[in-house]
Amino acid sequence: AQRVTQPEKLLSVFKGAPVELKCNYSYSGSPELFWYVQYSRQRLQLLLRHISRESIKGFTADLNKGETSFHLKKPFAQEEDSAMYYCALGTGGFKTIFGAGTRLFVKA
Amino acid sequence: DTGVSQNPRHKITKRGQNVTFRCDPISEHNRLYWYRQTLGQGPEFLTYFQNEAQLEKSRLLSDRFSAERPKGSFSTLEIQRTEQGDSAMYLCASSLSGTGGYKLFFGSGTQLSVL
Repeated sequence: AQRVTQPEKLLSVFKGAPVELKCNYSYSGSPELFWYVQYSRQRLQLLLRHISRESIKGFTADLNKGETSFHLKKPFAQEEDSAMYYCALGTGGFKTIFGAGTRLFVKA
Repeated sequence: DTGVSQNPRHKITKRGQNVTFRCDPISEHNRLYWYRQTLGQGPEFLTYFQNEAQLEKSRLLSDRFSAERPKGSFSTLEIQRTEQGDSAMYLCASSLSGTGGYKLFFGSGTQLSVL
């Protein structure tokens, strides 16, 4: 079965603290993993994808095929990072499956 | 705004009525997707077009749902005989096939409320 699991619905951290948003996937093929973000009153947008191995807004994510995970990390959270984060799995060339999302709240 | 455009932003209808939503993708994007999102969940895939061809439909898409993309430009999603369970945010996204194929650009969505 193709599935994306984000175990935390809400994650609350203090400004300057490290943050890790967890994502696990289930897929028999070669996965393509993404993180999408939705800031308040904005549309859903791509944050980063594993194939690019990039750091966006200080966030990084490493694909661990052994643990079937793609956790999103940032060493020092900022208040502007508060948003809804969705992990997503690309399958079959066109279909993207999303997790239920984790709301990140960064406290001052 | 050259992003993905969806109309209307909100739709309130009575159970049993038909509704139609429109999506205008980014002009050079050949792929168009419809997703549905309910409270507390991530977007769920409904259907996908490559140009004007509808290549995949989710089992979530009952026969009351139909989507079209004439001439490979804008798309419409129609729901016939709406039910209260159809209440959700309907999201449209587009992308360009090739290396950027999975980079989805989303619209702001149409919020449907079925009374």
